[in-house]
Amino acid sequence: AQSVTQLDSQVPVFEEAPVELRCNYSSSVSVYLFWYVQYPNQGLQLLLKYLSGSTLVKGINGFEAEFNKSQTSFHLRKPSVHISDTAEYFCAVIRTGGGNKLTFGTGTQLKVEL
Amino acid sequence: DAGVTQSPTHLIKTRGQHVTLRCSPISGHKSVSWYQQVLGQGPQFIFQYYEKEERGRGNFPDRFSARQFPNYSSELNVNALLLGDSALYLCASSSSSGQETQYFGPGTRLLVL
Repeated sequence: AQSVTQLDSQVPVFEEAPVELRCNYSSSVSVYLFWYVQYPNQGLQLLLKYLSGSTLVKGINGFEAEFNKSQTSFHLRKPSVHISDTAEYFCAVIRTGGGNKLTFGTGTQLKVEL
Repeated sequence: DAGVTQSPTHLIKTRGQHVTLRCSPISGHKSVSWYQQVLGQGPQFIFQYYEKEERGRGNFPDRFSARQFPNYSSELNVNALLLGDSALYLCASSSSSGQETQYFGPGTRLLVL
């Protein structure tokens, strides 16, 4: 089975400051990794994904994430946040080789302040 | 192109009742998955259907069931509703049953009183 840990339930940050949202996973098999964003009263939107290749993945809205296999981490970063980035961010994994069951973390609420 | 659509957007039911939630996938997508998101939690996988067959089931009681129609739309049914079934129910579609990107709908918010 897979599990995802997002240690930070809330991350407050000032506008134009950098931010890192942490994600660690546990799995006995290879996984693919995803970051989704959820704006208030909306569904989930894919920010970026790691399937293979370069461990640095760039996504939409200026976000990027780095896959670190030895530390089983997939932290999300943005060099300069905007008020519109205020949302809930979910890290998720999917087992390679079969099915498309996503296992999500509990989410990190990013609050960008002026 | 239209994204994943779900209906209704909101629903209020009482304990013991039955509910049916509906999902239409993106045109051309043959796989539909259902997730339950309780307030303050990440989404939990309930079912995956591909080409009208169940391909995966999460750890949910038999009160939860689903089906997929020939046009690839899907229904999630929940019987004998409990207060704990109150949640946002998300539908996601993808082009196949593998690890392709899943696209989520806006969800149906169910409140059980």
